[in-house]
Amino acid sequence: GEDVEQSLFLSVREGDSSVINCTYTDSSSTYLYWYKQEPGAGLQLLTYIFSNMDMKQDQRLTVLLNKKDKHLSLRIADTQTGDSAIYFCAESPNTGNQFYFGTGTSLTVIP
Amino acid sequence: SQTIHQWPATLVQPVGSPLSLECTVEGTSNPNLYWYRQAAGRGLQLLFYSVGIGQISSEVPQNLSASRPQDRQFILSSKKLLLSDSGFYLCAWSLKGQRPTNEKLFFGSGTQLSVL
Repeated sequence: GEDVEQSLFLSVREGDSSVINCTYTDSSSTYLYWYKQEPGAGLQLLTYIFSNMDMKQDQRLTVLLNKKDKHLSLRIADTQTGDSAIYFCAESPNTGNQFYFGTGTSLTVIP
Repeated sequence: SQTIHQWPATLVQPVGSPLSLECTVEGTSNPNLYWYRQAAGRGLQLLFYSVGIGQISSEVPQNLSASRPQDRQFILSSKKLLLSDSGFYLCAWSLKGQRPTNEKLFFGSGTQLSVL
């Protein structure tokens, strides 16, 4: 599979912005995703971005893509305690049906 | 609407015993199906995916196998479990079709497998 890297932990104070980072290796990746996993549950798609885009905004979520550096980030504005979860970055190569996930970043929001 | 069912939710099995985890999807036809494993403290690893009945692609060599006997049924099996097989197993599906509209994975609620 492809390598998708994320930092493991992030703590922020309630009301601050959170930025979760991800790097990937497959230059042919056409679609990049952010998923959220709450404790003991499956993953839910938060947002996705196409490789021909640099930025996508969806309410409190902003995704930035730097194709040259193969770097993806997710910014959560006004982070709430309900945002505490594990966030996974994922990529899907242009040539297949696979989805490759990162290691996940555990976000803790401190009240 | 589409739903995905995965069972059991938790499973405790002794080393060397067989395994069968089942996943079914409702409300759609001819989906792509996936098995992922999430080991403690690690990321999500793609184990198998299937684009159709009887078509299985394996991503990593291991003592697990997958089968797709029906269009919307995906089964993960092992003849003899190892301690290292412990983890959280997730089934997922996606639609087929022209990108990008169908490029999303929908996950089941997972099975926590403990091999003792």
